Amino acid sequence: AQSVTQLGSHVSVSEGALVLLRCNYSSSVPPYLFWYVQYPNQGLQLLLKYTSAATLVKGINGFEAEFKKSETSFHLTKPSAHMSDAAEYFCAVSEKDSGTYKYIFGTGTRLKVLA
Amino acid sequence: EPEVTQTPSHQVTQMGQEVILRCVPISNHLYFYWYRQILGQKVEFLVSFYNNEISEKSEIFDDQFSVERPDGSNFTLKIRSTKLEDSAMYFCASSPPRANGYTFGSGTRLTVV
Repeated sequence: AQSVTQLGSHVSVSEGALVLLRCNYSSSVPPYLFWYVQYPNQGLQLLLKYTSAATLVKGINGFEAEFKKSETSFHLTKPSAHMSDAAEYFCAVSEKDSGTYKYIFGTGTRLKVLA
Repeated sequence: EPEVTQTPSHQVTQMGQEVILRCVPISNHLYFYWYRQILGQKVEFLVSFYNNEISEKSEIFDDQFSVERPDGSNFTLKIRSTKLEDSAMYFCASSPPRANGYTFGSGTRLTVV
């Protein structure tokens, strides 16, 4: 079965500093990988996705992630944190079963941006 | 940009009551899903639905739960005899025929009292 591990349930960075949120996956087949952001009391917004094309994926709001098969990782980065980036971030892997694509989510990382 | 619409945004119900959570998926999507997020926890898969039948369901999705596509546009999740532990945010999602990413709705926060 596929799984996702997000290291660090809470991450704090200073405004303007690099954001690095870690995600490792387990999959026996080439995965589809996603990062979602959830702002307080809101739904899940897709940041970016990897679907076996380019290994460096650029998303919205200046975020990007790199798929590294050898490390089974899909870490999310942003060069310079902004206060508005404070939110919870979820990594997910897509698992195809019975013709549909079930998502397995990580436990999430809450990003705090310090002024 | 097309959206998945969920109603209501908040619902409070008494324990033992039945609730129906409603979703309007994106019109040309064929796969529909429900996920649940208990407060402070991760998002969990409940059920997937395709061609008017359940494709897969999780262990959470027991006989208390059912899904239906009553017409060409709505997709509903019914929870019978709600329990306190059903309190959660419920997300609907839809996708086209490839796993290129769902579109999630903004969720329904269900509170069972």
